[in-house]
Amino acid sequence: GQQVMQIPQYQHVQEGEDFTTYCNSSTTLSNIQWYKQRPGGHPVFLIQLVKSGEVKKQKRLTFQFGEAKKNSSLHITATQTTDVGTYFCAGKVNDYKLSFGAGTTVTVRA
Amino acid sequence: DVKVTQSSRYLVKRTGEKVFLECVQDMDHENMFWYRQDPGLGLRLIYFSYDVKMKEKGDIPEGYSVSREKKERFSLILESASTNQTSMYLCASSVFGRSYEQYFGPGTRLTVT
Repeated sequence: GQQVMQIPQYQHVQEGEDFTTYCNSSTTLSNIQWYKQRPGGHPVFLIQLVKSGEVKKQKRLTFQFGEAKKNSSLHITATQTTDVGTYFCAGKVNDYKLSFGAGTTVTVRA
Repeated sequence: DVKVTQSSRYLVKRTGEKVFLECVQDMDHENMFWYRQDPGLGLRLIYFSYDVKMKEKGDIPEGYSVSREKKERFSLILESASTNQTSMYLCASSVFGRSYEQYFGPGTRLTVT
């Protein structure tokens, strides 16, 4: 079945630095979603990308969908302590299901 | 405001017990999901339902069953709990035909001893 791989599993970042997490699928995705889970919390929807090559920004977060619609990335600039958490990508499998990546857990050094 | 609630935040059960995890959503969503979350493995889909009394197996259904008698409620059942079912269980719901974003409940951390 479809499998979504996400790297890195852990990202330790100095406050103020940038980082990127990557998501790759074995098959073409109709869309991809990103979620954030704060420590002790539950996943919360951030954004959805649908079009090939699409780029969307939310303040310091930039989301990109690859041209072939098989990969995606999340880039965070000037990391802050509020960015701590686990970021999941999820590819749409069919009308009902999402296939989640394993997540990138981000810690920030002040 | 969108709300998904789960019956317990923490649960401790013994091996062999029958366990019920309840999930309720107040958004009139058609789709409901049960996931388990384990370190390094992300969210793995156990079962989902796209309508009342309808259910479909996810990626890891073995050892679990589900029930959806009402649109707002989706129950996960562990027929005979085992230690390898110790995990965080997350319920989610979504609207069919829109953006498919899923709304998650707070999770139930189940420990089987």
